[in-house]
Amino acid sequence: AQSVTQLDSHVSVSEGTPVLLRCNYSSSYSPSLFWYVQHPNKGLQLLLKYTSAATLVKGINGFEAEFKKSETSFHLTKPSAHMSDAAEYFCVVNGGNKLVFGAGTILRVKS
Amino acid sequence: DAGVIQSPRHEVTEMGQEVTLRCKPISGHNSLFWYRQTMMRGLELLIYFNNNVPIDDSGMPEDRFSAKMPNASFSTLKIQPSEPRDSAVYFCASSLGGVAGDSYEQYFGPGTRLTVT
Repeated sequence: AQSVTQLDSHVSVSEGTPVLLRCNYSSSYSPSLFWYVQHPNKGLQLLLKYTSAATLVKGINGFEAEFKKSETSFHLTKPSAHMSDAAEYFCVVNGGNKLVFGAGTILRVKS
Repeated sequence: DAGVIQSPRHEVTEMGQEVTLRCKPISGHNSLFWYRQTMMRGLELLIYFNNNVPIDDSGMPEDRFSAKMPNASFSTLKIQPSEPRDSAVYFCASSLGGVAGDSYEQYFGPGTRLTVT
Protein backbone atom coordinates (compact mmCIF):
# COMPACT_ATOMS: atom_id res chain seq x y z
CA ALA A 1 0.00 0.00 0.00
CA GLN A 2 1.09 3.55 -0.67
CA SER A 3 1.81 5.92 2.21
CA VAL A 4 3.57 9.16 3.01
CA THR A 5 5.28 10.35 6.17
CA GLN A 6 5.81 14.02 6.80
CA LEU A 7 8.74 14.16 9.17
CA ASP A 8 7.89 17.45 10.88
CA SER A 9 4.50 18.49 12.19
CA HIS A 10 5.67 22.11 12.62
CA VAL A 11 8.44 24.12 10.96
CA SER A 12 9.35 27.68 11.89
CA VAL A 13 11.57 29.92 9.74
CA SER A 14 12.38 33.59 9.54
CA GLU A 15 11.23 35.62 6.58
CA GLY A 16 13.85 35.55 3.83
CA THR A 17 15.44 32.27 4.94
CA PRO A 18 15.14 28.91 3.15
CA VAL A 19 12.25 26.53 3.69
CA LEU A 20 12.58 22.74 3.86
CA LEU A 21 9.54 20.52 4.43
CA ARG A 22 10.39 16.84 4.50
CA CYS A 23 8.37 13.95 3.08
CA ASN A 24 9.15 10.26 2.70
CA TYR A 25 6.94 7.96 0.72
CA SER A 26 6.29 4.27 0.38
CA SER A 27 4.99 2.85 -2.86
CA SER A 28 4.94 -0.54 -4.51
CA TYR A 29 5.20 1.02 -7.95
CA SER A 30 6.43 4.21 -9.54
CA PRO A 31 4.44 6.81 -7.68
CA SER A 32 2.86 10.11 -8.56
CA LEU A 33 3.57 12.60 -5.80
CA PHE A 34 2.03 15.96 -4.97
CA TRP A 35 2.40 18.83 -2.55
CA TYR A 36 -0.73 20.74 -1.57
CA VAL A 37 -0.97 23.88 0.55
CA GLN A 38 -3.85 24.93 2.78
CA HIS A 39 -4.07 28.48 4.05
CA PRO A 40 -6.19 29.11 7.15
CA ASN A 41 -9.90 28.58 6.52
CA LYS A 42 -9.28 27.78 2.87
CA GLY A 43 -9.40 24.72 0.65
CA LEU A 44 -6.33 22.82 -0.52
CA GLN A 45 -4.37 24.14 -3.50
CA LEU A 46 -1.92 22.17 -5.62
CA LEU A 47 1.66 23.44 -5.36
CA LEU A 48 3.35 20.93 -7.65
CA LYS A 49 3.31 17.33 -8.82
CA TYR A 50 5.79 14.66 -9.87
CA THR A 51 4.76 12.10 -12.48
CA SER A 52 8.01 10.31 -13.48
CA ALA A 53 9.30 13.05 -15.76
CA ALA A 54 12.00 15.40 -14.43
CA THR A 55 13.02 14.59 -10.87
CA LEU A 56 13.20 18.28 -9.94
CA VAL A 57 9.73 19.72 -10.07
CA LYS A 58 8.98 23.42 -9.99
CA GLY A 59 5.71 24.66 -8.61
CA ILE A 60 3.90 27.86 -7.89
CA ASN A 61 5.11 30.67 -5.64
CA GLY A 62 8.77 29.69 -5.94
CA PHE A 63 8.44 26.23 -4.42
CA GLU A 64 10.14 23.16 -5.82
CA ALA A 65 10.56 19.54 -4.85
CA GLU A 66 13.05 16.85 -5.77
CA PHE A 67 12.10 13.22 -6.23
CA LYS A 68 14.82 10.91 -4.91
CA LYS A 69 14.01 7.28 -5.51
CA SER A 70 17.05 5.98 -3.63
CA GLU A 71 15.95 7.85 -0.52
CA THR A 72 12.19 7.49 -1.14
CA SER A 73 11.91 11.21 -0.46
CA PHE A 74 10.06 14.14 -1.99
CA HIS A 75 11.12 17.16 0.07
CA LEU A 76 9.64 20.61 -0.61
CA THR A 77 11.94 23.62 -0.67
CA LYS A 78 11.88 27.35 -1.26
CA PRO A 79 14.98 29.57 -1.26
CA SER A 80 13.42 32.48 0.60
CA ALA A 81 10.33 32.36 2.80
CA HIS A 82 7.66 35.01 2.61
CA MET A 83 5.09 35.83 5.25
CA SER A 84 2.36 34.67 2.88
CA ASP A 85 3.87 31.16 2.87
CA ALA A 86 2.57 30.55 6.39
CA ALA A 87 0.13 27.66 5.93
CA GLU A 88 -0.21 23.90 6.28
CA TYR A 89 1.47 21.75 3.64
CA PHE A 90 0.47 18.22 2.68
CA CYS A 91 2.60 15.64 0.90
CA VAL A 92 0.41 13.29 -1.12
CA VAL A 93 0.97 10.05 -3.02
CA ASN A 94 -1.27 8.47 -5.61
CA GLY A 95 -2.58 5.36 -3.85
CA GLY A 96 -3.82 3.49 -6.88
CA ASN A 97 -7.21 5.05 -7.41
CA LYS A 98 -7.19 7.72 -4.75
CA LEU A 99 -4.82 10.14 -3.10
CA VAL A 100 -3.15 9.30 0.20
CA PHE A 101 -2.43 12.38 2.31
CA GLY A 102 0.30 12.90 4.84
CA ALA A 103 -0.53 14.32 8.26
CA GLY A 104 0.56 17.80 7.25
CA THR A 105 3.32 20.24 8.24
CA ILE A 106 2.42 23.65 9.61
CA LEU A 107 4.86 26.30 8.40
CA ARG A 108 5.29 29.38 10.52
CA VAL A 109 7.15 32.38 9.09
CA LYS A 110 8.56 34.89 11.58
CA SER A 111 9.13 38.50 10.65
CA ASP B 1 -13.93 28.19 -14.61
CA ALA B 2 -15.39 28.92 -11.19
CA GLY B 3 -13.68 25.95 -9.59
CA VAL B 4 -15.37 23.48 -7.28
CA ILE B 5 -18.37 25.06 -5.60
CA GLN B 6 -19.64 23.99 -2.21
CA SER B 7 -22.65 25.11 -0.25
CA PRO B 8 -23.30 26.12 2.38
CA ARG B 9 -19.94 27.48 3.54
CA HIS B 10 -21.01 27.28 7.17
CA GLU B 11 -23.70 25.19 8.79
CA VAL B 12 -24.72 25.15 12.42
CA THR B 13 -27.32 22.61 13.44
CA GLU B 14 -28.61 20.81 16.49
CA MET B 15 -27.93 17.19 17.26
CA GLY B 16 -30.44 14.91 15.58
CA GLN B 17 -31.13 17.17 12.64
CA GLU B 18 -30.50 16.22 9.03
CA VAL B 19 -27.67 18.03 7.27
CA THR B 20 -27.13 18.15 3.51
CA LEU B 21 -23.91 19.41 1.99
CA ARG B 22 -23.73 20.22 -1.70
CA CYS B 23 -21.00 20.19 -4.30
CA LYS B 24 -20.68 21.23 -7.92
CA PRO B 25 -17.49 19.86 -9.51
CA ILE B 26 -15.47 21.49 -12.24
CA SER B 27 -17.15 21.01 -15.60
CA GLY B 28 -15.63 18.09 -17.49
CA HIS B 29 -14.16 16.38 -14.45
CA ASN B 30 -15.30 12.80 -14.08
CA SER B 31 -14.20 12.00 -10.54
CA LEU B 32 -15.58 13.53 -7.37
CA PHE B 33 -14.32 13.09 -3.81
CA TRP B 34 -15.73 13.93 -0.38
CA TYR B 35 -13.28 14.51 2.47
CA ARG B 36 -13.62 15.35 6.14
CA GLN B 37 -10.98 17.34 8.04
CA THR B 38 -10.65 17.52 11.82
CA MET B 39 -7.84 18.46 14.14
CA MET B 40 -7.75 14.99 15.62
CA ARG B 41 -7.93 12.87 12.48
CA GLY B 42 -6.60 15.16 9.77
CA LEU B 43 -7.93 14.79 6.24
CA GLU B 44 -10.00 11.66 5.62
CA LEU B 45 -11.46 10.45 2.34
CA LEU B 46 -15.10 9.55 2.87
CA ILE B 47 -16.23 8.46 -0.58
CA TYR B 48 -15.44 8.98 -4.20
CA PHE B 49 -17.36 8.73 -7.45
CA ASN B 50 -16.22 8.10 -10.99
CA ASN B 51 -18.64 8.93 -13.81
CA ASN B 52 -21.36 9.43 -11.15
CA VAL B 53 -20.91 5.92 -9.76
CA PRO B 54 -19.68 5.40 -6.17
CA ILE B 55 -16.37 3.54 -6.37
CA ASP B 56 -15.13 3.45 -2.80
CA ASP B 57 -17.21 4.35 0.24
CA SER B 58 -15.03 2.58 2.78
CA GLY B 59 -14.31 5.88 4.49
CA MET B 60 -17.92 6.65 5.29
CA PRO B 61 -18.02 6.48 9.07
CA GLU B 62 -21.42 4.86 9.53
CA ASP B 63 -24.89 4.48 8.13
CA ARG B 64 -25.82 7.98 9.20
CA PHE B 65 -23.73 9.22 6.28
CA SER B 66 -24.86 8.90 2.67
CA ALA B 67 -23.71 10.45 -0.59
CA LYS B 68 -25.26 10.72 -4.00
CA MET B 69 -24.24 11.97 -7.40
CA PRO B 70 -27.36 12.13 -9.57
CA ASN B 71 -25.53 13.74 -12.47
CA ALA B 72 -22.09 14.92 -13.51
CA SER B 73 -22.54 18.40 -12.11
CA PHE B 74 -23.94 17.79 -8.65
CA SER B 75 -23.30 15.73 -5.54
CA THR B 76 -24.67 15.70 -2.02
CA LEU B 77 -23.39 14.40 1.30
CA LYS B 78 -26.12 13.83 3.85
CA ILE B 79 -25.85 13.19 7.57
CA GLN B 80 -28.99 11.94 9.29
CA PRO B 81 -29.19 12.20 12.24
CA SER B 82 -26.26 14.51 12.94
CA GLU B 83 -24.15 14.23 16.10
CA PRO B 84 -21.67 16.64 17.75
CA ARG B 85 -18.76 14.41 16.72
CA ASP B 86 -19.65 15.09 13.08
CA SER B 87 -18.44 18.66 13.53
CA ALA B 88 -15.67 19.17 10.97
CA VAL B 89 -14.82 20.83 7.69
CA TYR B 90 -16.10 18.84 4.74
CA PHE B 91 -14.32 19.26 1.42
CA CYS B 92 -15.40 18.27 -2.03
CA ALA B 93 -12.79 17.78 -4.76
CA SER B 94 -12.92 16.85 -8.42
CA SER B 95 -10.44 15.58 -10.98
CA LEU B 96 -10.08 14.20 -14.47
CA GLY B 97 -8.91 10.93 -12.99
CA GLY B 98 -10.21 7.50 -13.73
CA VAL B 99 -10.84 4.51 -11.53
CA ALA B 100 -7.61 2.61 -11.77
CA GLY B 101 -4.73 4.82 -10.77
CA ASP B 102 -3.52 7.99 -12.42
CA SER B 103 -1.62 11.16 -11.72
CA TYR B 104 -4.40 13.66 -12.08
CA GLU B 105 -4.45 16.26 -9.37
CA GLN B 106 -7.59 16.99 -7.42
CA TYR B 107 -9.11 20.44 -7.25
CA PHE B 108 -10.64 21.27 -3.89
CA GLY B 109 -13.60 23.39 -3.02
CA PRO B 110 -13.50 25.92 -0.17
CA GLY B 111 -15.17 23.51 2.24
CA THR B 112 -18.23 23.52 4.46
CA ARG B 113 -17.64 24.10 8.14
CA LEU B 114 -20.21 22.03 10.02
CA THR B 115 -20.94 22.58 13.70
CA VAL B 116 -23.38 20.25 15.43
CA THR B 117 -24.46 21.42 18.88
